[in-house]
Amino acid sequence: QVQLQESGPGLVKPSQTLSLTCTVSGGSISSGSYYWSWIRQPAGKGLEWIGRIYTSGSTNYNPSLKSRVTISVDTSKNQFSLKLSSVTAADTAVYYCARDDGVGLIDYWGQGTLVTVSS
Amino acid sequence: EIVMTQSPATLSVSPGERATLSCRASQSVSSNLAWYQQKPGQAPRLLIYGASTRATGIPARFSGSGSGTEFTLTISSLQSEDFAVYYCQQYNNWWTFGQGTKVEIK
Repeated sequence: QVQLQESGPGLVKPSQTLSLTCTVSGGSISSGSYYWSWIRQPAGKGLEWIGRIYTSGSTNYNPSLKSRVTISVDTSKNQFSLKLSSVTAADTAVYYCARDDGVGLIDYWGQGTLVTVSS
Repeated sequence: EIVMTQSPATLSVSPGERATLSCRASQSVSSNLAWYQQKPGQAPRLLIYGASTRATGIPARFSGSGSGTEFTLTISSLQSEDFAVYYCQQYNNWWTFGQGTKVEIK
């Protein structure tokens, strides 16, 4: 059973860079034709896809966030990471890491981690 | 960007009754439409993909229909564990989600 766990600071100051890591267990991040995604959810609101990465390093980003997002992968640690630069209060949300089956279906999710942007 | 619009925002239903949730896409997404269920404090769970195919382990009381721009999720007889928020997601052109329909106890 694949499990995903987000980690990183819960509080980030405005204009700084949000950094999160997702650790995958129960299977190799390199096995299968899966992509590894980040999705966020502001409190009381809907879900927003941020972007995804394949283990080759190929990435796809939400056009609305593309200028600020970097997703990377470390196959030796079975981890992938998110960096979101120049954050504002609007970036406050629960951030989920997830497995994408390749066509965009999310079959495994992390538990989510709340990131608050505040001074 | 394809905008997904769900209705109603909140649906009040009694246990045992049928619930019908709607999702509309701003342009055709073919059958590349999924439904997720989210309970408070939990991550979403995949229910339906390809507009009408139940994901592994999903009970038969959940069914999906539609294609193009109009989609429906039906829960035939609501159980206590079904009260939750439901999101539709299109994966035809990148990925976008609807704003959700909350199914609450009447």
